[in-house]
Amino acid sequence: DTAVSQTPKYLVTQMGNDKSIKCEQNLGHDTMYWYKQDSKKFLKIMFSYNNKELIINETVPNRFSPKSPDKAHLNLHINSLELGDSAVYFCASSPSTREQYFGPGTRLTVT
Amino acid sequence: GQSLEQPSEVTAVEGAIVQINCTYQTSGFYGLSWYQQHDGGAPTFLSYNALDGLEETGRFSSFLSRSDSYGYLLLQELQMKDSASYFCAVRASTSGTYKYIFGTGTRLKVLA
Repeated sequence: DTAVSQTPKYLVTQMGNDKSIKCEQNLGHDTMYWYKQDSKKFLKIMFSYNNKELIINETVPNRFSPKSPDKAHLNLHINSLELGDSAVYFCASSPSTREQYFGPGTRLTVT
Repeated sequence: GQSLEQPSEVTAVEGAIVQINCTYQTSGFYGLSWYQQHDGGAPTFLSYNALDGLEETGRFSSFLSRSDSYGYLLLQELQMKDSASYFCAVRASTSGTYKYIFGTGTRLKVLA
């Protein structure tokens, strides 16, 4: 009965590679998000989708591209990975403006 | 610009009461949320205030004063398991789109 799930949990890769992180929610929420949490635990929103439509697109490098095939899924693809991309990436979903439900996170390490 | 400020660390003993403050500067303010995050875990929603006043949920309460751009999270009867980082987050709307801005987090240490 997992609410928001992400795969993989850990991702170790080399600079220049392309990787994807997948997110699925079974809560029936309309809105999903991607966040990046850096080593200082600063949590920053990257993207938000509502019913498969992009509604928030923060200033992130265009190497990051979100894709929402349906309301329950929001994937994050990253091209040409850089050292500075190392972080924990959280997917979240929300039923309203009040609260967000976060996935377990994907720890990305770029070497 | 938009910013949130909260203390970086707070220490208290089991059974005590602790207050974590959050001041914000933002345009298009909608509401203030609080999240708890244990080391290695995901943020977990605690509370949301859109209007002035106090919201109580069990041992946790959250307060908002929109005129002072200020809020706080109050934790009562502290338990060891409350040791975690606590984030305030503002929901704001600019140019018709809304966004969430998180504070830098307050690390709470509960001592036995």
